[in-house]
Amino acid sequence: GENVEQHPSTLSVQEGDSAVIKCTYSDSASNYFPWYKQELGKGPQLIIDIRSNVGEKKDQRIAVTLNKTAKHFSLHITETQPEDSAVYFCAARGQGGKLIFGQGTELSVKP
Amino acid sequence: EAQVTQNPRYLITVTGKKLTVTCSQNMNHEYMSWYRQDPGLGLRQIYYSMNVEVTDKGDVPEGYKVSRKEKRNFPLILESPSPNQTSLYFCASSPSGRPAETQYFGPGTRLLVL
Repeated sequence: GENVEQHPSTLSVQEGDSAVIKCTYSDSASNYFPWYKQELGKGPQLIIDIRSNVGEKKDQRIAVTLNKTAKHFSLHITETQPEDSAVYFCAARGQGGKLIFGQGTELSVKP
Repeated sequence: EAQVTQNPRYLITVTGKKLTVTCSQNMNHEYMSWYRQDPGLGLRQIYYSMNVEVTDKGDVPEGYKVSRKEKRNFPLILESPSPNQTSLYFCASSPSGRPAETQYFGPGTRLLVL
């Protein structure tokens, strides 16, 4: 079935460093790839998304890249800040329009 | 304020005692969905609804029921809860009838079944 693998499961960085989270999807027909941020005690919130006709998208300190050939996409956070600490989920929209989520990455930014 | 609300936020119950988790959105969204979040498994879809009176199974529907009698409400029903349904539950809504446009999540309901 459709599957999204996300790595790493935990990531610890120093404030100011960059963080990269990677996801791989199985359905080659996938065409929409959102990233969600979940802060402690809250529901996930969309932070950035990319569609299959674009290779890269940037919004201030966050960027997402997509490699359709290899079926993987990544979230890049530059100049990390303590408020970036959260759980991040990638997702892919496969055939039938269903969103399949990755397992999540717990990011910790140490001051 | 545009939002998705869930009640209760925390619930402890015993095996077999029927319960309902309510979900309501005030954004006039057509699409609503329920997910469960478990460590190492991410978010898995339980049920979804494309519009009023239209519901369908997600990836893990066993042991759950839903209904969509009004556009704004999408309650999740556990007729006979079991310990393996202990989890963190999220309701989400989306503006269009398509399932994978931007989804707005509620704050979550943490359920413990003893």
